[in-house]
Amino acid sequence: GQSLEQPSEVTAVEGAIVQINCTYQTSGFYGLSWYQQHDGGAPTFLSYNALDGLEETGRFSSFLSRSDSYGYLLLQELQMKDSASYFCAVLANAGGTSYGKLTFGQGTILTVHP
Amino acid sequence: AAGVIQSPRHLIKEKRETATLKCYPIPRHDTVYWYQQGPGQDPQFLISFYEKMQSDKGSIPDRFSAQQFSDYHSELNMSSLELGDSALYFCASSSQGPDGYTFGSGTRLTVV
Repeated sequence: GQSLEQPSEVTAVEGAIVQINCTYQTSGFYGLSWYQQHDGGAPTFLSYNALDGLEETGRFSSFLSRSDSYGYLLLQELQMKDSASYFCAVLANAGGTSYGKLTFGQGTILTVHP
Repeated sequence: AAGVIQSPRHLIKEKRETATLKCYPIPRHDTVYWYQQGPGQDPQFLISFYEKMQSDKGSIPDRFSAQQFSDYHSELNMSSLELGDSALYFCASSSQGPDGYTFGSGTRLTVV
């Protein structure tokens, strides 16, 4: 099976930079995804890393090290609206499914203060 | 652009009743996934379908069943409902990998 670990809570102020780490154990690894979820809303896709290195998308960047089974999500120039839960999710081979299965971590609650 | 449509958005049922949740994937997406998310929890994988065949099964109770129909929509049937089944149920569809893995807005099921 798969297991993921990420911090339960992170607090920061507007304009700051925050990094949310994720370590995982899995077989049949395809890649690591990050999702944002506001209270009661659907998980929203942020990024996906299949290869080692940094992927940048606007204020958000995501990093993966396959050899270390480790990744992180970097959020820059934090805004109040970034307050949400952030989930790392491993995409791994699921047998008959062509595109793999997502297994989520426990989620990190990010609170951004003025 | 069309998104994943789930219905109903909210559902209230009594213990031991039956509920049916529906999911309409993005057109031309051939894979559908169901997730259950309890309060303060991460989404837990229940079951998936690829080209209308069950492709993987997660922590889905025997009281639950699901299928994908010829038009690719999927239904999650939940019987003998328990209080612990109260959760958000998300459907996601995919056609090409993780950045095509799109979640619906979810169905909030409350069992009273």
